[in-house]
Amino acid sequence: DTGVSQDPRHKITKRGQNVTFRCDPISEHNRLYWYRQTLGQGPEFLTYFQNEAQLEKSRLLSDRFSAERPKGSFSTLEIQRTEQGDSAMYLCASSLVQGTPPYEQYFGPGTRLTVT
Amino acid sequence: AQSVTQLDSHVSVSEGTPVLLRCNYSSSYSPSLFWYVQHPNKGLQLLLKYTSAATLVKGINGFEAEFKKSETSFHLTKPSAHMSDAAEYFCVVSVTYSSASKIIFGSGTRLSIRP
Repeated sequence: DTGVSQDPRHKITKRGQNVTFRCDPISEHNRLYWYRQTLGQGPEFLTYFQNEAQLEKSRLLSDRFSAERPKGSFSTLEIQRTEQGDSAMYLCASSLVQGTPPYEQYFGPGTRLTVT
Repeated sequence: AQSVTQLDSHVSVSEGTPVLLRCNYSSSYSPSLFWYVQHPNKGLQLLLKYTSAATLVKGINGFEAEFKKSETSFHLTKPSAHMSDAAEYFCVVSVTYSSASKIIFGSGTRLSIRP
């Protein structure tokens, strides 16, 4: 078990460009989460998947953001027409949801996005 | 509605002295509560979680937290601070209802350790 991995670790892009991030969860985990963390703040929930189904989206997830988990394994987060305000660390986490809560989340190292 | 408040943005203690990081929560449902730690340039790591089996929860690296329903608190403590404890600490509330989950992180407490 290699833990949750994210790719790339760093991304610098110009305003208006599209970017896509990938998250590979722990293999047997059925739930996958995306968060955004800005400097000096705690992670903010963006969305989560139960297997391939996207069950909840935060109002922070504007229509420029889209996430997929097509086969219930890895997930991608795409940001279209990036803005400087999108600059943040994007975190992915996974958990095994079975039985009663609480369900511990295991976090990846994050993708740091800088929009210039 | 759910919310979590970390009462101190920065705590500084001397090495070898006790640590207290405060967290208050609000939840319409029975919450699950967690503490996570984030060292610089490293991923978030679970310190401990409240499971309702016991109000005093022991975690890794000597940390503990006590769930107090009457005070809606889940404060994190450690009897003796070590230099390696310097990091950002997050209190987390999670509520699961039907097929949905709501996860809210506090704004974090930066713990500094003085030699």
